[in-house]
Amino acid sequence: EDQVTQSPEALRLQEGESSSLNCSYTVSGLRGLFWYRQDPGKGPEFLFTLYSAGEEKEKERLKATLTKKESFLHITAPKPEDSATYLCAVHYPYSSASKIIFGSGTRLSIRP
Amino acid sequence: EAQVTQNPRYLITVTGKKLTVTCSQNMNHEYMSWYRQDPGLGLRQIYYSMNVEVTDKGDVPEGYKVSRKEKRNFPLILESPSPNQTSLYFCASSLSDRQGQYFGPGTRLTVT
Repeated sequence: EDQVTQSPEALRLQEGESSSLNCSYTVSGLRGLFWYRQDPGKGPEFLFTLYSAGEEKEKERLKATLTKKESFLHITAPKPEDSATYLCAVHYPYSSASKIIFGSGTRLSIRP
Repeated sequence: EAQVTQNPRYLITVTGKKLTVTCSQNMNHEYMSWYRQDPGLGLRQIYYSMNVEVTDKGDVPEGYKVSRKEKRNFPLILESPSPNQTSLYFCASSLSDRQGQYFGPGTRLTVT
């Protein structure tokens, strides 16, 4: 079964304490992996797209990497404003079309 | 300002009463999609559209209809809503299905 699994479900960090979030997937023929940030009561906000293994993208304190079976979102020296739910999604061919499926997210909380 | 708008933002209705949730984007995006977000199940794609007059089913299309007569608009229609369609709905758009999507603010629907 095609799946996207994110871990951990929740993560509490002290301000400045770096860590990584994981997104593993079991789909075939990955066309793209997306990372989003979602604040409570709002729509997801696009962060990165990764297309092939070995690719890396950076934005401020966030860095996303991709291997053949998983992606990591590294957060360096996080601040309280980085607190949010982080979602990953994969895009892959399905039947004669394609699909996008999301993981359940990691709830990140940064304490001052 | 580049944005995806949805209306209404909140809706309480009764079983069987047809309703439409509108979605509009001002970025000339070709790809648009609808998702529902439920606790423990994450974001699931309902329908998507690659371009005008081109729509296809996502993971959970039962009980929903869509149309794409203009590039900017992608309404979601529930012809006979049921309580299991109570959810938070998001519309999203992007230049193509291979790129990250811009999400609307969400529509919280309650069907009693």
